[in-house]
Amino acid sequence: QVQLQESGPGLVKPSETLSLTCTVSGGSINSYYWSWIRQPPGKGLEWIGFIYYSDSTTYNPSLRSRITTSLDTSKNQFSLNLTSVTAADTAVYYCARISGLSDMDVWGKGTTVTVSS
Amino acid sequence: QSALTQPASVSGSPGQSITISCTGTSSDIGGYNYVSWYQKYPGKAPKLLIFDISNRPSGVSHRFSGSKSGHTASLTISGLQAEDEADYYCSSYSSSSTRVVFGGGTKLTVL
Repeated sequence: QVQLQESGPGLVKPSETLSLTCTVSGGSINSYYWSWIRQPPGKGLEWIGFIYYSDSTTYNPSLRSRITTSLDTSKNQFSLNLTSVTAADTAVYYCARISGLSDMDVWGKGTTVTVSS
Repeated sequence: QSALTQPASVSGSPGQSITISCTGTSSDIGGYNYVSWYQKYPGKAPKLLIFDISNRPSGVSHRFSGSKSGHTASLTISGLQAEDEADYYCSSYSSSSTRVVFGGGTKLTVL
């Protein structure tokens, strides 16, 4: 079955760029929307954005100015870059597959990113 | 502050049924039938329980059911079990620029 795995640095300095990659195994990255979601410590889930295999994207407007995403079909991976990070960006970051219009049926295990000097 | 409103906590005894509500607006729950529910244990990834208001993915127990009335969606767990103790999140498609909105989460305690 399809599995997702997030990877990237666990510690990022303030004002720098957070970069994460999600590797899709057991299935093709084509023909699905893929999503990033995060959960700050002690808080709820926050949707970050969608990316489609055609490189079409939709982002949370609260983060739009700082986000870029990309998708590499040859590696079956998609990535998230979040610039100018602050402590408020400290969270567990998840990647997920979009099954219908917005429901996420397959999730990665999550990766913890701490923003600190 | 989350776009969708859930109770912070609910509780129930083993064998009982509980319902978690999730209230939105006409831009999300009230306008579309794309409500999802997720179960989340601490330190684990969310698991999709319900999609499109009331549909269960393969492998999800029939004890979990979903419904919607107006701007409010609900998740009902029947025959409560100790293993159901977790956080539950609702989510909806939204016509606003924030395409996916979540509730703040509800902590279920099994007494």
